[in-house]
Amino acid sequence: AQKITQTQPGMFVQEKEAVTLDCTYDTSDPSYGLFWYKQPSSGEMIFLIYQGSYDQQNATEGRYSLNFQKARKSANLVISASQLGDSAMYFCAMRGTDSWGKLQFGAGTQVVVTP
Amino acid sequence: DADVTQTPRNRITKTGKRIMLECSQTKGHDRMYWYRQDPGLGLRLIYYSFDVKDINKGEISDGYSVSRQAQAKFSLSLESAIPNQTALYFCATSGPPQGAGSYEQYFGPGTRLTVT
Repeated sequence: AQKITQTQPGMFVQEKEAVTLDCTYDTSDPSYGLFWYKQPSSGEMIFLIYQGSYDQQNATEGRYSLNFQKARKSANLVISASQLGDSAMYFCAMRGTDSWGKLQFGAGTQVVVTP
Repeated sequence: DADVTQTPRNRITKTGKRIMLECSQTKGHDRMYWYRQDPGLGLRLIYYSFDVKDINKGEISDGYSVSRQAQAKFSLSLESAIPNQTALYFCATSGPPQGAGSYEQYFGPGTRLTVT
């Protein structure tokens, strides 16, 4: 069975600073993918970044980067230069080897960016 | 227009009532999913479908049923709603894997359901 753990229920970060959101996972699948989604207070789910288990390089998308440590089974999201609009709930998710693409989500981390 | 739409966006219903949540997509994707979100639990998979003839139970399917009326439409039903089904419900779609196999999922805006 797959499991995603996000140990930080909430955190505050000052504007313009970087923040790291922790995500650890457990799976026996040989191939898998890791996602991060953002959920602002309006409720929609916004895809941020993806890392494949065989990707050689850590994924980056603008101010988002994924610190992927396969041996430690961690996939932490780093947001650089935080903005007020980054205040949201952030979810880590994983899909397994099967072709269905279904996702297992962590419980989420609430981020509040302060001026 | 949004690629994945859900109706209704908000619904209040009473215990024991039957309710249907509808999802439509214009992305041409085969795979469709229903998730529910509860505070502190993240999103959990209720049902998923590969095509109109293929329906599969997810992690928490008890008390729910689904119908895939067409490639673009996937409905979730609560046959007899109960208060602990109060939650935010999301429909999502995904296409074939891209590049390294991302299977990125595209989410609808969500339906906030309250069962009293």
